[in-house]
Amino acid sequence: KNQVEQSPQSLIILEGKNCTLQCNYTVSPFSNLRWYKQDTGRGPVSLTIMTFSENTKSNGRYTATLDADTKQSSLHITASQLSDSASYICVVSAKEYGNKLVFGAGTILRVKS
Amino acid sequence: NAGVTQTPKFQVLKTGQSMTLQCAQDMNHEYMSWYRQDPGMGLRLIHYSVGAGITDQGEVPNGYNVSRSTTEDFPLRLLSAAPSQTSVYFCASSPPLADTQYFGPGTRLTVL
Repeated sequence: KNQVEQSPQSLIILEGKNCTLQCNYTVSPFSNLRWYKQDTGRGPVSLTIMTFSENTKSNGRYTATLDADTKQSSLHITASQLSDSASYICVVSAKEYGNKLVFGAGTILRVKS
Repeated sequence: NAGVTQTPKFQVLKTGQSMTLQCAQDMNHEYMSWYRQDPGMGLRLIHYSVGAGITDQGEVPNGYNVSRSTTEDFPLRLLSAAPSQTSVYFCASSPPLADTQYFGPGTRLTVL
């Protein structure tokens, strides 16, 4: 079973709308949780990183939240733009395994005009 | 800075052929790694290096070799390509103990 599950698998929204992507993980204990954005044909780029003690982190129109008790994280995108079309990947750093990174499969977001 | 560069961008091989995927970074990062990305799955670690002369296996190392003779370069060698190695390969680098990895643009490999 994948230790990092993301939902939905894909999502289509209209430009200007908000959306929330979900990440559930079973990795425990963990060092940090990261969200990456991956444009088509490119490598992933870091959006946010949160440690165990943080429960929210923002980067412009992107806001990540973390609930370490329920092992859930979300990425909220405000006022979406066409350039937000990408895959969003949740990554958990597993403390037990020397901070090995466990990657989710990603959510593919398409923003339509 | 060019960041992390990878060559080639695309490659088609026949089963049994060998080849080397190149990765270079100009940020003087000690930590470098290779991942493969397959549809519907998260990135999986193939091999990694914590510095020149030091390499170790990741989650899916079989069929791949690496070496790290310099800080800048971290090539990935496919010894005898198989269709199961059809994938997109990403190289990444980071400073020691850093939280953020910097990824290259990827190499799309098809093995027929």
